Amino acid sequence: GAVVSQHPSRVICKSGTSVKIECRSLDFQATTMFWYRQFPKQSLMLMATSNEGSKATYEQGVEKDKFLINHASLTLSTLTVTSAHPEDSSFYICSARDVGEGGELFFGEGSRLTVL
Amino acid sequence: SQKIEQNSEALNIQEGKTATLTCNYTNYSPAYLQWYRQDPGRGPVFLLLIRENEKEKRKERLKVTFDTTLKQSLFHITASQPADSATYLCALERDGQNFVFGPGTRLSVLP
Repeated sequence: GAVVSQHPSRVICKSGTSVKIECRSLDFQATTMFWYRQFPKQSLMLMATSNEGSKATYEQGVEKDKFLINHASLTLSTLTVTSAHPEDSSFYICSARDVGEGGELFFGEGSRLTVL
Repeated sequence: SQKIEQNSEALNIQEGKTATLTCNYTNYSPAYLQWYRQDPGRGPVFLLLIRENEKEKRKERLKVTFDTTLKQSLFHITASQPADSATYLCALERDGQNFVFGPGTRLSVLP
């Protein structure tokens, strides 16, 4: 199956700083990528749909100025958590669809963000 | 309101038995439904996809059913093994593009 790489896998930052997480599709082109957030023992919550070359579509309740998404190429989407606070600490996961594979989502390994 | 429920937060079964996990949804009309496996600290891994016009799908020891009248999908693992222990998530297609995930069921297969 297709491979999605996410980096960094873990990041610790101070409150008030910004953190960028990268999501790359390694062996296919992804016009659409998805960003999820997952709290311990809870399911994935869709934050936004990232579209190559256009603005991301955010889910209700997700602050687009706080969670900046850029999908500048067919293989890379980035999520920047701006002015991070401890409540932003979470597991962030990206995914992409390879339309040739029948619609399944390929997920990255996730990025654990800890804001001190 | 829209809702996705999975039968239980945790399920313990004995090795060799069949595990049955349930996914029920309300106020969705998915064209297809998927099941994923997630291990702690990892991203989910795709297992099976079933379309609305399919009643059943199989892959090795896995079987999925999809009843659009009951708004329910069942996920079966036959001859379960301790290595099958993980959290299993159902995901509904939404708007033809993205997916909404259920809360997951944490399966433990006891040796």
